[in-house]
Amino acid sequence: QKEVEQNSGPLSVPEGAIASLNCTYSDRGSQSFFWYRQYSGKSPELIMSIYSNGDKEDGRFTAQLNKASQYVSLLIRDSQPSDSATYLCAVNPQAGTALIFGKGTTLSVSS
Amino acid sequence: GAVVSQHPSWVICKSGTSVKIECRSLDFQATTMFWYRQFPKQSLMLMATSNEGSKATYEQGVEKDKFLINHASLTLSTLTVTSAHPEDSSFYICSATSGGSTDTQYFGPGTRLTVL
Repeated sequence: QKEVEQNSGPLSVPEGAIASLNCTYSDRGSQSFFWYRQYSGKSPELIMSIYSNGDKEDGRFTAQLNKASQYVSLLIRDSQPSDSATYLCAVNPQAGTALIFGKGTTLSVSS
Repeated sequence: GAVVSQHPSWVICKSGTSVKIECRSLDFQATTMFWYRQFPKQSLMLMATSNEGSKATYEQGVEKDKFLINHASLTLSTLTVTSAHPEDSSFYICSATSGGSTDTQYFGPGTRLTVL
C-alpha cells in the first residue's frame, strides 16, 4: 500500500514566524512531489512542485526533498493569517497515475 | 498555471434525479482527468481516473453504474451522478494533467452537490 503521511495538526504559529510542514512517503520509486493548499470549502490549489533532492524556493515558500529519507517538507516564511489553511502533500508514484495525497496538515497563523 | 473549470459550481436536486458535472481544461489538453469526492472535514477521496477516449478506471467501492464518467475530448470530462440520494451530497472536484514526466495535476474549483 503506497502511503503519504502528514501530521494532521493543527500547527499554530504566530504571524511572521516560519511554519514547517512535513511529509513522508512509502514508495521509494516516486519521482514527483507536490504541495497543495486547501482553504475550507474550496478545492486544492497547487503551491509547489519538486522533483529533485534539495531545496526549491518560490517567494515565501520553500519545498525540500530528501529521496533517501523519503521526506518532503514545506517551509512558509513570514507566515500570514491568510496562510491559514490545510496543506496537502501529494506524491506521484508513476507517470499517468493519480496522485497519492496525505490527509493534510491544518495550519493556523495568529495575528 | 493551467486552468481547470467546473460547472456548475453548486447544484441542489431532488432525490432520484441525475446530475451532470462538467470539468474542462481551458488552456491545455488533458490526457488524464481525475474525479474526487470530499465530505466535510475529510480527506480527498479519489473516485476514478479518466483517460480521453477510454473507459474510466474506478476506485474500489465506487459504483461505476452510479457515477458515470465520460472523457470524450482532451478538454472535457463529465461526471453524472445517476439517481442521486442524500448520501451522495458532497463536494465533487476534478483535476487534470497534461501528462509527461512531471504530471502536475491542476484542480477545478469543485461542485457542491446537495440532494434533498
